[in-house]
Amino acid sequence: KNEVEQSPQNLTAQEGEFITINCSYSVGISALHWLQQHPGGGIVSLFMLSSGKKKHGRLIATINIQEKHSSLHITASHPRDSAVYICAVRSDERADGLTFGKGTHLIIQP
Amino acid sequence: DSGVTQTPKHLITATGQRVTLRCSPRSGDLSVYWYQQSLDQGLQFLIQYYNGEERAKGNILERFSAQQFPDLHSELNLSSLELGDSALYFCASSVGGGGWQQETQYFGPGTRLLVL
Repeated sequence: KNEVEQSPQNLTAQEGEFITINCSYSVGISALHWLQQHPGGGIVSLFMLSSGKKKHGRLIATINIQEKHSSLHITASHPRDSAVYICAVRSDERADGLTFGKGTHLIIQP
Repeated sequence: DSGVTQTPKHLITATGQRVTLRCSPRSGDLSVYWYQQSLDQGLQFLIQYYNGEERAKGNILERFSAQQFPDLHSELNLSSLELGDSALYFCASSVGGGGWQQETQYFGPGTRLLVL
């Protein structure tokens, strides 16, 4: 079992829909990151979380440390939100301390 | 544009060869991180340098090495290349040495390496 599991693996939705992407992890962590990878390959860091909730524009990220779960929400989705969203955790239990999920491939259709 | 630059953008080489990937961090950033992204393994952390010194090491093969120079640019050297080394190699930078538990990282556009 991977230390970081994302769901769904693929998601296709219509423009305007509310999107939720989930990330579950099985190790103790000091931080969780959400990254966005555009179709051209570029990666942008969206959020860094250690507790609670953060909001940036139409994006909201939450984390529940006790349940070892984080969600990334997109409100009023737009075709430009189409990308791969990657969850990454800074693990307290590994020497290299960093584990990535396999990503959620999101497509927003107009 | 993140402010992190990587060269070259694309690289095609043969098995057994050696290549060098270059990264220039954002102005003022002291840390450089290297990542490998392959189709089967996804993103993997390779190594972090902070102000010229190795700070953290991940899944970096012995055939790979890196260094950070006094002007803070970094180079990732890949030797005895194998077909499986074909991947996207990303560099990222951050202000300090706090790593993923403290700092946002800014990614470069990546170098796409194809080993034939």
